[in-house]
Parts: sequence; structure tokens; C-alpha cells
Amino acid sequence: TAGITQAPTSQILAAGRSMTLRCTQDMRHNAMYWYRQDLGLGLRLIHYSNTAGTTGKGEVPDGYSVSRANTDDFPLTLASAVPSQTSVYFCASSGGDSGELFFGEGSRLTVL
Amino acid sequence: GQNIDQPTEMTATEGAIVQINCTYQTSGFNGLFWYQQHAGEAPTFLSYNVLDGLEEKGRFSSFLSRSKGYSYLLLKELQMKDSASYLCAVKGSNYQLIWGAGTKLIIKP
Repeated sequence: TAGITQAPTSQILAAGRSMTLRCTQDMRHNAMYWYRQDLGLGLRLIHYSNTAGTTGKGEVPDGYSVSRANTDDFPLTLASAVPSQTSVYFCASSGGDSGELFFGEGSRLTVL
Repeated sequence: GQNIDQPTEMTATEGAIVQINCTYQTSGFNGLFWYQQHAGEAPTFLSYNVLDGLEEKGRFSSFLSRSKGYSYLLLKELQMKDSASYLCAVKGSNYQLIWGAGTKLIIKP
């Protein structure tokens, strides 16, 4: 089972350019999440979606947008990248008895 | 405010036991999770506690005291592959997870 697939694995992006990080799951989970992980900080929630067709803002949503057209896909878009968006981005979905999160392998983004 | 505290780094010896503590202050409580994250990889689920007490799962155990806002992860019979970061996360009143910064565990032979 693939679980959650993210693409690209890594990317270098010029400031001001746009970028979409892709995330696809095959577990039929309703809830999906985008986090960023920076050294010395906990995972921070960017946006989430509790079910297809709905999205919500997390702790650090500015500069990012998401869509949830169907259950499987949850892309994250940076409209105009800035160096402070350099980070590792993790997509996740929640399921299981306790609602634990299942993470993708991460996308390392560098904005220069 | 909401806060999750855990030590930044710990060192332990192969074959020994180590306890990683996590204290939290959150608006509401709907469960506490522990995740393991190897360097350069995604976090993976270890344990979930919602009631007070100890949950044992093989070499790993997790304890929760809701009245004290405290949890610990206990790792027994440490192996070199246990070298990783251990993340504590609390599900708050809005059912979203609040994450600690993680504890980097270094295992020495």
C-alpha cells in the first residue's frame, strides 16, 4: 500500500515564483493536513481539510493555499514564494482507531 | 497560550532504558500522541494515550497523567536503530494536534 505520496521530494525555487506541492493518499481518509517542519520548532499546521470540498486554516496559513476537490488529493500552493518558506513540508491524513496521522515522506523546499 | 515541552536532546547507552518526558499546557485535551522520526524521514506513530495510566507496546511504553499535564515515553532494551527524534503531540479542544519540538535521542554503543 502506497499510503501518502508527496511530490516533488525536493525543489529549489526562486523567490517570487509559484509552486504546488502535490499530495495523494490511497487510504480513503477524510481528513488531510499540511505541516511545515523547521529546525528547533514543532510541526506547524498550515492548512487542513476535514473532508472533500472543505478546507481550514491552521497555525501558519499566510502565503499558502490549498484545495480539496476529492478525497485523495490535497495540493498545497505557494503563490509567490519567499525565503522564509524554506522548510520541509509534510502532508498527512488521519485514520485508525485513535485518529493517528499517517505522513508522506516530505518535500524539502528551498526558496532563494 | 498552548505549550508542549520536551527535552531537546538525550543520550543513552545501547541495551539500557531511557525515559523521555513531555509536559503540556493546552486548551482542552483529547489525547496525547508519541511519534518517532528518523533523520530525513517522516514521523511514524508510536502510541496514543487518552486515559491516565501506562500503555505498553513491546519495548515502548507511554504514560499519561492528565491532572499533571504530563506524559513520558519509556524505551527499554535500547537498540542503535532507536536513535531518532521523538515527538510529543496533544490533541486540543479543536481536535487539532499541537506538537512539541521533539527530543533527539542519541544511542551510544
